[in-house]
Amino acid sequence: GAGVSQSPSNKVTEKGKDVELRCDPISGHTALYWYRQRLGQGLEFLIYFQGNSAPDKSGLPSDRFSAERTGESVSTLTIQRTQQEDSAVYLCASSLPRGKNEQYFGPGTRLTVT
Amino acid sequence: SQKIEQNSEALNIQEGKTATLTCNYTNYSPAYLQWYRQDPGRGPVFLLLIRENEKEKRKERLKVTFDTTLKQSLFHITASQPADSATYLCAPRFSGGYNKLIFGAGTRLAVHP
Repeated sequence: GAGVSQSPSNKVTEKGKDVELRCDPISGHTALYWYRQRLGQGLEFLIYFQGNSAPDKSGLPSDRFSAERTGESVSTLTIQRTQQEDSAVYLCASSLPRGKNEQYFGPGTRLTVT
Repeated sequence: SQKIEQNSEALNIQEGKTATLTCNYTNYSPAYLQWYRQDPGRGPVFLLLIRENEKEKRKERLKVTFDTTLKQSLFHITASQPADSATYLCAPRFSGGYNKLIFGAGTRLAVHP
């Protein structure tokens, strides 16, 4: 079946602009995660959704970052007034809701802020 | 806060040898630990999960060990092949964090023919 998809695959934006990144999880996966990965570094947790509620937003770096999820499917991560330090790959993952389930990752969106 | 340490230097080995990658964590022991593989330009792919009450887990040429006394997990690839070249990430899951994994920065493995 289809895996996790993300769009766009690449995004170049000017400093100060808003961007919206999209994630389509695997059908039936009610858990969804957003991570950020800077060049040569590990994954930095941003936010976790269970269904369309977000019980853990502890990783969002500032109030410029927000995310929502509708209908236990698509999620969007919005970054307002982008800064150069926001440049990174943003990865989305989904998993089954319970147990010790592995996370299935999308290919990521590479964001470059100029 | 929890820290996950993986060897930041690339591991270079000869084809056919066993590769051993290390993951150390501080403070509390995780309920379980997952290992992922990441290729350039791609998202991580799940490989293995080991629970806190398991000492060892195997899958084909892969073996993971978990030592809660040493606060360490080792990841082994036997009979390594050039196709095993990638970055390997360890991701412990600590209690109380929903299903949130804390990822290490990863160790890059290069297997040379």
